[in-house]
Amino acid sequence: QSALTQPRSVSGSPGQSVTISCTGTSGDFGVYNYISWYQQHPGKAPKLMIYDVSKRPSGVPDRFSGSKSGNTASLTISGLQAEDEADYYCCSYAGSYSLVVFGGGTTLTVL
Amino acid sequence: QLQLQESGPGLVKPSETLSLTCTVSGDSITSNSFYWGCIRQPPGKGLEWIGSIHYSGNTYYNSSLKSRVSISVDTPKNQFSLKLSSVTAADTAVYYCARMAVFWYFDLWGRGTLVTVSS
Repeated sequence: QSALTQPRSVSGSPGQSVTISCTGTSGDFGVYNYISWYQQHPGKAPKLMIYDVSKRPSGVPDRFSGSKSGNTASLTISGLQAEDEADYYCCSYAGSYSLVVFGGGTTLTVL
Repeated sequence: QLQLQESGPGLVKPSETLSLTCTVSGDSITSNSFYWGCIRQPPGKGLEWIGSIHYSGNTYYNSSLKSRVSISVDTPKNQFSLKLSSVTAADTAVYYCARMAVFWYFDLWGRGTLVTVSS
């Protein structure tokens, strides 16, 4: 069972904004800012979209943004496009015992 | 451009050891700024981190797999390798190699390779 909880699915229409949440159950989640987000299209490898809570790697559109408040991190996608339809996973450093944990994943549907 | 390529047998028998090799091309594996990691994804399920290694040999493992996992590095070949012992059907997954930046995020991934555990 994942230590990071994500909604199973979210949806939005083209041009709208959606937010995917990621809630940590470990006390360490609220302490560290090592939160990353990955996009995965069917049959493809995951792609890094956000790291260190809110930083975007080169080449990732600024429609993707990340934030964190307390034990919950969030990925917001604004100006939804058809190609954003994918699975999204959060990931966090979870302290010296668990180290790296992934959320269960969220399927984004663009209506 | 840096690339990672997984290689290994696609089928492993129960109770045997799964072996996976990750080859890094386009850059040296001997960078102090990165670890090299293994992540898996059972069919239709989410991602699970297995472990990561630095070229110096320092390793981190998922505590739930630690008793069965070993990751090693071969710097002359620019490769790192995963061994997972005593496998069961629950270990059937797509196995990915990835570069892990310090700290704790995976910025480059291989395409992944499906390993099936079956007799």
